[in-house]
Amino acid sequence: GAVVSQHPSRVICKSGTSVKIECRSLDFQATTMFWYRQFPKQSLMLMATSNEGSKATYEQGVEKDKFLINHASLTLSTLTVTSAHPEDSSFYICSARQGVNYGYTFGSGTRLTVV
Amino acid sequence: GENVEQHPSTLSVQEGDSAVIKCTYSDSASNYFPWYKQELGKRPQLIIDIRSNVGEKKDQRIAVTLNKTAKHFSLHITETQPEDSAVYFCAASMEPWGNKLVFGAGTILRVKS
Repeated sequence: GAVVSQHPSRVICKSGTSVKIECRSLDFQATTMFWYRQFPKQSLMLMATSNEGSKATYEQGVEKDKFLINHASLTLSTLTVTSAHPEDSSFYICSARQGVNYGYTFGSGTRLTVV
Repeated sequence: GENVEQHPSTLSVQEGDSAVIKCTYSDSASNYFPWYKQELGKRPQLIIDIRSNVGEKKDQRIAVTLNKTAKHFSLHITETQPEDSAVYFCAASMEPWGNKLVFGAGTILRVKS
C-alpha cells in the first residue's frame, strides 16, 4: 500500500531557530500534500495544501512566512518552521494524495518541542 | 467553509458492547466521509469511509451510515475489544473539487475489560 515517510519523528529546538520537516511518498507520486498541526488532545487542523510545482495554499490564520512549504517534486514536500517559538510546539503531520480517485496517506508525524 | 462536529468527545463502553460516534457536516456539497483511528503519538489510520452515493457500508465489526438529507454520518463498532481504545476522528471533503479533509474534534473511546 501507499506509504509516506516523515522525518524527523521528534525534534527539540531552541527559540528563534528554524526546523525543517520532510515528507516523502515512497511508492507513489503525491500530486497533493497536506500539512496538519495537532495540539495535545485536539483534532488535526489543516495548515496548508501544496501541489507539486506550485505555491502552497494556506488556511486562514496560518502565517505563510512562518511556515514555509516546498513541494518541489512529486515525492517530497517540506515544512520549515521559521523562528520557532514555544507556542509552535505541536505534532505536525503530513498527508499525501496521488490524485482525486485515491485516498489520503498520512505520515507518522513529527513532535516539535521549542524550548 | 466546511465545519464538522463530532460527538461524544469521550465514550466508555464495556468490552463486547457497541459504540456509536456521530458527526454532522455543514456543506451539502461534501461527498466523501472517512473515519480515522489514532493511537497516542501515531498517525491516523483509515478504518472505513463512505461516499455520498451510498447510505451504509460495513466491514466486519465496523459500519458507517450516512444521512445526506440530515447531513450526518455515524460510526458503529460492534463487539468492542480493548484494542479498539483510541481516538476516532470523522472527516469530510468535497471530491474532486475541494480535495482537503476537514476533521471533527475527535472521540476518545475507552473499552473496559
